Amino acid sequence: GQNIDQPTEMTATEGAIVQINCTYQTSGFNGLFWYQQHAGEAPTFLSYNVLDGLEEKGRFSSFLSRSKGYSYLLLKELQMKDSASYLCAVVDSNYQLIWGAGTKLIIKP
Amino acid sequence: IAGITQAPTSQILAAGRRMTLRCTQDMRHNAMYWYRQDLGLGLRLIHYSNTAGTTGKGEVPDGYSVSRANTDDFPLTLASAVPSQTSVYFCASSIGAPYSGANVLTFGAGSRLTVL
Repeated sequence: GQNIDQPTEMTATEGAIVQINCTYQTSGFNGLFWYQQHAGEAPTFLSYNVLDGLEEKGRFSSFLSRSKGYSYLLLKELQMKDSASYLCAVVDSNYQLIWGAGTKLIIKP
Repeated sequence: IAGITQAPTSQILAAGRRMTLRCTQDMRHNAMYWYRQDLGLGLRLIHYSNTAGTTGKGEVPDGYSVSRANTDDFPLTLASAVPSQTSVYFCASSIGAPYSGANVLTFGAGSRLTVL
């Protein structure tokens, strides 16, 4: 079966750095998305990786290793507004989008 | 309208009733999707449409139907609601299909449905 694993919940301190991991076992791979979802709101697009390596976008970076079936989202200089769920999703060989259950990130002052 | 509009925002419904969730986008996106989100589970695709006039079944289509008469509208109908359909429903769209960095999903604000 196809599976996306993310930690259920993480806690970090304002101003710090946090890494949210995502491991996947899917039938093929055609890209990986990260979305942010604030409580009670819609998911919003953060990043897309299809090649190995690190993609940086301001305070957020996303890393992919296709050989390890692994990605992480790195959030720097954490702000209270970063408290949200972070969803990892993989595009498989049939171009189906497989979603993880999400990681709830709690930021403490 | 900017982006995707869903209605209603929330609804409580008696089991056995028929319900249509509305979704309208003004971005001229070709592809549209309906997802449900349940606690502890990833988003699950119900139905999709790659272009006006065509629809397809997703991962959990049973008990739901859709239509795509034009580019902008993609309603989701529950013919006879059951309690297991209690969920938050998200409509989404993308410029085209398949999923890629060029075809990123834009989501509506969601419709919270409770079936009693």
